[in-house]
Amino acid sequence: RKEVEQDPGPFNVPEGATVAFNCTYSNSASQSFFWYRQDCRKEPKLLMSVYSSGNEDGRFTAQLNRASQYISLLIRDSKLSDSATYLCVVTLGDSWGKFQFGAGTQVVVTP
Amino acid sequence: DGGITQSPKYLFRKEGQNVTLSCEQNLNHDAMYWYRQDPGQGLRLIYYSQIVNDFQKGDIAEGYSVSREKKESFPLTVTSAQKNPTAFYLCASSIDVGGAFFGQGTRLTVV
Repeated sequence: RKEVEQDPGPFNVPEGATVAFNCTYSNSASQSFFWYRQDCRKEPKLLMSVYSSGNEDGRFTAQLNRASQYISLLIRDSKLSDSATYLCVVTLGDSWGKFQFGAGTQVVVTP
Repeated sequence: DGGITQSPKYLFRKEGQNVTLSCEQNLNHDAMYWYRQDPGQGLRLIYYSQIVNDFQKGDIAEGYSVSREKKESFPLTVTSAQKNPTAFYLCASSIDVGGAFFGQGTRLTVV
């Protein structure tokens, strides 16, 4: 079983709609959680950290469910520029600074 | 500007050659990482370093070597022992567990 699993998609979303997707992690000792965005043939870029209480950054909302061991990302009012692959990243509690990446969820926003 | 610089952007390697990928950061981050990404796949950790003169193998270290003589620099050598080196190589750095920041990557192709 992979440490971090994501639905690869693609999630095809009409412009202006809301899309949400999850990421599950296997290690209950995981300490920190992040969402990254990766455009085609580019490097991943940090989108947002995920806090226990949930957090919002503009149109993006991230949630953490420790009991069920998953994090989620919700994008409201989708823009064409939101089309990208979204990577879930988890740091293991027993490995300081070592990040585990999911394979990514592809989102395609259509006009 | 603070950031991570990888060079070259594109690199072509002949069979049996060793090649070195450069990674420099001026973010004053302690930890640095090398990842490999293959098409349609997630990032896989090659090596990481938490402090100068110390580094640890990641999940796919065979055929690769690194050094960390300076805090700012973490070069990766792809040796002839790496049988399938064609991939997108990403260098990253982080401070504690506050998220990792990536360079623009190097695309290595065997010719």
